[in-house]
Amino acid sequence: GAGVSQSPSNKVTEKGKDVELRCDPISGHTALYWYRQRLGQGLEFLIYFQGNSAPDKSGLPSDRFSAERTGESVSTLTIQRTQQEDSAVYLCASRSTSGGAEQFFGPGTRLTVL
Amino acid sequence: GDSVTQMEGPVTLSEEAFLTINCTYTATGYPSLFWYVQYPGEGLQLLLKATKADDKGSNKGFEATYRKETTSFHLEKGSVQVSDSAVYFCASGYSTLTFGKGTMLLVSP
Repeated sequence: GAGVSQSPSNKVTEKGKDVELRCDPISGHTALYWYRQRLGQGLEFLIYFQGNSAPDKSGLPSDRFSAERTGESVSTLTIQRTQQEDSAVYLCASRSTSGGAEQFFGPGTRLTVL
Repeated sequence: GDSVTQMEGPVTLSEEAFLTINCTYTATGYPSLFWYVQYPGEGLQLLLKATKADDKGSNKGFEATYRKETTSFHLEKGSVQVSDSAVYFCASGYSTLTFGKGTMLLVSP
């Protein structure tokens, strides 16, 4: 079946603009995660959605970052007033809670803030 | 809190050499353990996993054994190929995963 998809694959924006990144999880996966990966670095956890529970936002670096998820489907990560340090690859992952703990990742969105 | 420590790279090997990438973790209880691989320009792919002590995960010639006594999950491959060049991430957890910083592997012909 289809894997996790993300759009756009690349986004170039100017400092101070808002951006929205989209994630389509694997159908039926109730858990969804956002991560940030700066160039040459590991994964930085941002936010975790699990079904209808309140999301775990403990990784969001500032109030410029927010994310929403409608039910158990699409999620959008919004970054307001982008800064150059926001430049990174943003990865989305989903997980089936009826299966194991493994997460399945999308290809990522590369964000460049000029 | 939970943490995962893996050896820093890059690890540079010649084709057909033996590979070991060390990974140790700290966690409460017995988390599931994973190795993910990231090829250039791509997202992370699950390489192998183990869910309980003494389990051995294996895939594509790679293997790792869940060692509770040493809280380790070292990745090994007997004979690497150029196509194995990538960044390898160790991870542990349950509903959320903690990732290591990644180890870059470079294999030359």
